[in-house]
Amino acid sequence: GAGVSQSPRYKVAKRGQDVALRCDPISGHVSLFWYQQALGQGPEFLTYFQNEAQLDKSGLPSDRFFAERPEGSVSTLKIQRTQQEDSAVYLCASSSRGGQTEAFFGQGTRLTVV
Amino acid sequence: RKEVEQDPGPFNVPEGATVAFNCTYSNSASQSFFWYRQDCRKEPKLLMSVYSSGNEDGRFTAQLNRASQYISLLIRDSKLSDSATYLCVVSRYSSASKIIFGSGTRLSIRP
Repeated sequence: GAGVSQSPRYKVAKRGQDVALRCDPISGHVSLFWYQQALGQGPEFLTYFQNEAQLDKSGLPSDRFFAERPEGSVSTLKIQRTQQEDSAVYLCASSSRGGQTEAFFGQGTRLTVV
Repeated sequence: RKEVEQDPGPFNVPEGATVAFNCTYSNSASQSFFWYRQDCRKEPKLLMSVYSSGNEDGRFTAQLNRASQYISLLIRDSKLSDSATYLCVVSRYSSASKIIFGSGTRLSIRP
């Protein structure tokens, strides 16, 4: 498809389990962002990639969160030893030119930690 | 204090009314400004960019005041389909890009 694709759409994890969330950005988009959105809140910035380089990871809430984009295309957000407070929708967005142009979002992965 | 602040609402207005949302941002290095719309359980989508001179797109008008670090969105002749959450967005891009979202303002249009 032509849009940003995220998988899985829904994930239920037991507390302490590791999870991996995948994002396929729009082809050719050099910029990729990850956000965490809790119910009733706006998306909170997690991290930013320009091609394969992770230029900003200031929003990652703890060292249990790790993101990579090894070939400058697909990105994976990994959460180790999940906690209940990690339950949220994780949104991925891509753009052609960082923050200067429209960011296109995937439909998100809804993570529930039980 | 959050970097982008919005009135969370909800705003509940009748169809045909004019409604305005405000947003303030704290980082003077912010360079680009946008309004996004998010429907319930959907992803955010760009509504319009906000330019220094102000801009209009049909029933929607956006204004930017850099001196006061203030952004606004005006919706005229509101429709039922305008019911959504409106997200104020600012970005800056020096060595890295950062796109920051406000918490959103909920708008509900009643018949």
